[in-house]
Amino acid sequence: QSLVAQPPSASGTPGQNVVISCSGSRSNIETHNVYWYQQLPEMAPTLLIYGDDKRPSGVPDRFSGSKSGTSASLAISGLRSEDEADYYCATWDDSLNVVLFGGGTKVTVL
Amino acid sequence: EVQLVESGGGLVRPGGSLRVSCAASGFTFSDHWMHWVRQAPGKGLVWVARINVDGSVTNYAESVRGRCTISRDNAKNMLYLEMSDLTGDDTAVYYCARDWAGAARNWGQGTLVTVSS
Repeated sequence: QSLVAQPPSASGTPGQNVVISCSGSRSNIETHNVYWYQQLPEMAPTLLIYGDDKRPSGVPDRFSGSKSGTSASLAISGLRSEDEADYYCATWDDSLNVVLFGGGTKVTVL
Repeated sequence: EVQLVESGGGLVRPGGSLRVSCAASGFTFSDHWMHWVRQAPGKGLVWVARINVDGSVTNYAESVRGRCTISRDNAKNMLYLEMSDLTGDDTAVYYCARDWAGAARNWGQGTLVTVSS
């Protein structure tokens, strides 16, 4: 079981909103920045969100991040077929001195 | 344009050793921490190690600590990961990534390491 937990799957129809959760603890999510990555099929991951809620240049504003306490969320608004991918949260952990990735959430566009 | 190109992957016997490399270009390599992240076939991303700008600080995942060494050559814009005592659990695509604002901002295309007899 991952120390940073994500639901294994999420889905929605085109145009719907989807929210992916990322649950951790005081030593990681509550204390440190959360990052979100998108991995399209057969591709290397790309950075979607940094610093809990900031988007790098080029990332559509349909993607937004938030954090409260020991949990973080990635919201995708106006779901599109090209959003079908795996999404990972990541953060630093003080107790282990490691970067932790969540187990990943596969988003399916129905 | 930032480019990261991994190399050195391949088939290695259990118990063997391997060094994977990452050639960086398009940015000032010596200004950035760097990471290695791996992904076993059909599985999720797993962080492996990171190194600071001059190589004086390194951190490792528990699963590789003592068996892997991350290093860099700033003169050559190269990042390395030396791995030993390899097992099937180390079979994965190994990605190098440039750190930016604490995130893995740019990723290479990965190099596949297969541990099998």
